[in-house]
Amino acid sequence: KAGVTQTPRYLIKTRGQQVTLSCSPISGHRSVSWYQQTPGQGLQFLFEYFSETQRNKGNFPGRFSGRQFSNSRSEMNVSTLELGDSALYLCASSLGVAGGRFGEQFFGPGTRLTVL
Amino acid sequence: QKEVEQDPGPLSVPEGAIVSLNCTYSNSAFQYFMWYRQYSRKGPELLMYTYSSGNKEDGRFTAQVDKSSKYISLFIRDSQPSDSATYLCAKSPYTGGFKTIFGAGTRLFVKA
Repeated sequence: KAGVTQTPRYLIKTRGQQVTLSCSPISGHRSVSWYQQTPGQGLQFLFEYFSETQRNKGNFPGRFSGRQFSNSRSEMNVSTLELGDSALYLCASSLGVAGGRFGEQFFGPGTRLTVL
Repeated sequence: QKEVEQDPGPLSVPEGAIVSLNCTYSNSAFQYFMWYRQYSRKGPELLMYTYSSGNKEDGRFTAQVDKSSKYISLFIRDSQPSDSATYLCAKSPYTGGFKTIFGAGTRLFVKA
């Protein structure tokens, strides 16, 4: 089956701008989580959406927001970009329930965001 | 102190060597422990997960958890150049949500 897709794969923005990233989960998966990956901080959890509702949230400022649509596709928005927002943004989809193979998360290839 | 500590490496070994990757963690509230592998320009993929202390084996890979010392290990036997990647350990709560906390990742190079 098709994997998790993320668009765009690469983005270059300038400080102060805003950006929207998109994630299409594996068919049948209702949970989408977003992560930020940087060399200094590693992989950090941003938030998780399940059935169009934010279910968990990490410790990121309110400039980072997201939403999920009825078809489980998710978008992440970052407003007023800062240089420190340059990172690889990964989304992961899963069935969203514990048990079995622990609701394994499948990651997309990520969107590389560069803020100049 | 980070909740999951992992030496970033890099770790370089010859082909066929046994590789040992390690993490320590704090906050015992989290129950599941996982190892992910991430190739360059790709997202992480789940290699193995464990719930309790002890060993879990899958082919050339063995995951080990020692909850008394809060230590997580991944052993790779007969390492191959295709094992060259970044390996991330992680822990996650036993809930319906997925607030996974990752280690920094160890970059592994297996030389042919």
